This record gives sequence, C-alpha cells and structure tokens, in this order.
Amino acid sequence: EPEVTQTPSHQVTQMGQEVILRCVPISNHLYFYWYRQILGQKVEFLVSFYNNEISEKSEIFDDQFSVERPDGSNFTLKIRSTKLEDSAMYFCASRTSQGNEKLFFGSGTQLSVL
Amino acid sequence: RKEVEQDPGPFNVPEGATVAFNCTYSNSASQSFFWYRQDCRKEPKLLMSVYSSGNEDGRFTAQLNRASQYISLLIRDSKLSDSATYLCVVIPSNTGKLIFGQGTTLQVKP
Repeated sequence: EPEVTQTPSHQVTQMGQEVILRCVPISNHLYFYWYRQILGQKVEFLVSFYNNEISEKSEIFDDQFSVERPDGSNFTLKIRSTKLEDSAMYFCASRTSQGNEKLFFGSGTQLSVL
Repeated sequence: RKEVEQDPGPFNVPEGATVAFNCTYSNSASQSFFWYRQDCRKEPKLLMSVYSSGNEDGRFTAQLNRASQYISLLIRDSKLSDSATYLCVVIPSNTGKLIFGQGTTLQVKP
C-alpha cells in the first residue's frame, strides 16, 4: 500500500526556535492535512491544503504556523517560534479527493519543545 | 457539547469476549462516519466506514443512528491483537476535515 512519509520521526528543539516538519504525501493525492496529538489527548485538526492554498484551518493554527508545498512532492509545516505547548505528535495526511475517501496518515513526527 | 464524544474506557475484556463501543456527535449535518484504530504512539489507521444500513467486516460491525446522532462498533471474539484505542471519526458537512473523538481504549487479556 502507498505510504505518506514524514521526517524526522523525532524533533527536539528549544523554546522560541523555528522548526520545519516535513511530509511527502502519496504522489497522486490532491488534498493534504496536518493534525496533531498532544500526549494523552485526541487527534486535532490543524490545517487542510488544496490547489496550493489553505482550504481550512483550526483555531490552533495561528500566525506561528504556516504550511507550504515547495515542490511537487513535499508538504511542510513550519512553526516559527515554538512554545512548550507545541510539544505533540504531528501527523501529515493525504487523500485523492474530499468526502469520504480514505485518508492516509504518515507515521508522525514527535516534537518536543524544551 | 463536544463535537465527537466517546467513553475513554479503558475496557478490559478476556479473549473471546464481545465488546461494544459507542460514540455521539453533535453536528446533525455530518455526512461521513468512520472508526479508526490507533496503537500506542502510532498513526490512526482506518478500521471501517460506518453507514446507516450498518456494515460488517469480519468480527467488526458498525452501526449509525442518524436520528440519535450515535455510532457504535461491536467487536466479536476479541483477540489479543485487538488491544488498541478505537477512534470515532466524523466528517462535518461540506468539509474534508476529520473530527476525532478522544478514543476508547481496549485491552484484551489472555
């Protein structure tokens, strides 16, 4: 089965530093997503991306967050100035279309902000 | 009211038991419903979609009651490998985003 690939698997950073989480969605997919899961809590929607622009974002996705698809394969999430509460598992996901098409998740990047 | 609500459990059952999980959702216009499975520190994986007519996949049966805004998952003949967190997931109307419940933890004991 095709896979969504995320790197790195673990990222440790100091508070106030910028981090970039990287994702390679499945090649023929058109819709891309970032979710996060704080330890012990539910999976939360951050942002969806289609046709090279953000289609929807949550309240969590404030000015410190940005997403980019810099080339035909990568999809990145940048956090400009990390806070302790940004520590979480970040999942990238992609699908061919909206609706009830299966969403494929990457294995996640565990971000630890010290 | 939470968008998607689940009993977090944990449910501790012996092998071979039948166990049922329930979920309620708040948006009556929600269009699509799923059960996902999540193993510890791993990504969510689609277990099955949920339809109004009910659907079955082997030992797993999912039901949707739109009038009550209620979704269920029944697992028959539980296996040790069924131990995981089961996530109730809803797609609200006109969006592609998934809304996750907190998950129900199942521990199947020998």
